[in-house]
Amino acid sequence: GAVVSQHPSRVICKSGTSVKIECRSLDFQATTMFWYRQFPKQSLMLMATSNEGSKATYEQGVEKDKFLINHASLTLSTLTVTSAHPEDSSFYICSARSGTWGAYEQYFGPGTRLTVT
Amino acid sequence: AQSVTQLGSHVSVSEGALVLLRCNYSSSVPPYLFWYVQYPNQGLQLLLKYTTGATLVKGINGFEAEFKKSETSFHLTKPSAHMSDAAEYFCAVIRNYQLIWGAGTKLIIKP
Repeated sequence: GAVVSQHPSRVICKSGTSVKIECRSLDFQATTMFWYRQFPKQSLMLMATSNEGSKATYEQGVEKDKFLINHASLTLSTLTVTSAHPEDSSFYICSARSGTWGAYEQYFGPGTRLTVT
Repeated sequence: AQSVTQLGSHVSVSEGALVLLRCNYSSSVPPYLFWYVQYPNQGLQLLLKYTTGATLVKGINGFEAEFKKSETSFHLTKPSAHMSDAAEYFCAVIRNYQLIWGAGTKLIIKP
């Protein structure tokens, strides 16, 4: 199957700083990428959907000025958590799909564990 | 609106025993249904999916699921559990090209 990578796998940052998470599709062109947040012992919460070259569409309740998403190329999307606070600590997962696939086919990255101290 | 309910946040079975993870959905239209598995500190991997056609769907690693419209269920089963099956399992339904997730069930395998 298609491969999606995320970097870094773990990051610890201080409160008030910003951190960037990268999501890459390694062997396909990702026309759409999704960013999820997963709290401990809970399911995934979709944060936003981004299409290459367009502004991301954020889900209700997600602060777009705090969680900056850039999908500048067909293989790379980035999520920047700005002015991070301890409550932003979470597991962030991206997924990607190609426009040539069925509507439901998407592949997931391994996730990034963010800890804000 | 579509939603997904997974009964049991934790399920514990002995190695070699039957695995049954329950998933019920609500949907106003025929659903596309999925089971994903998440191993510790890893992303999600598609186990199997139901879109149309045969209601008994076979997936990877010996898992299968049956779509029962009358019961609005899509339970995941495996005849004989293996230690390597220990993971978190998520049921999902698609809505507007987006996945709607159940809360997940952690499968624990006892030696």
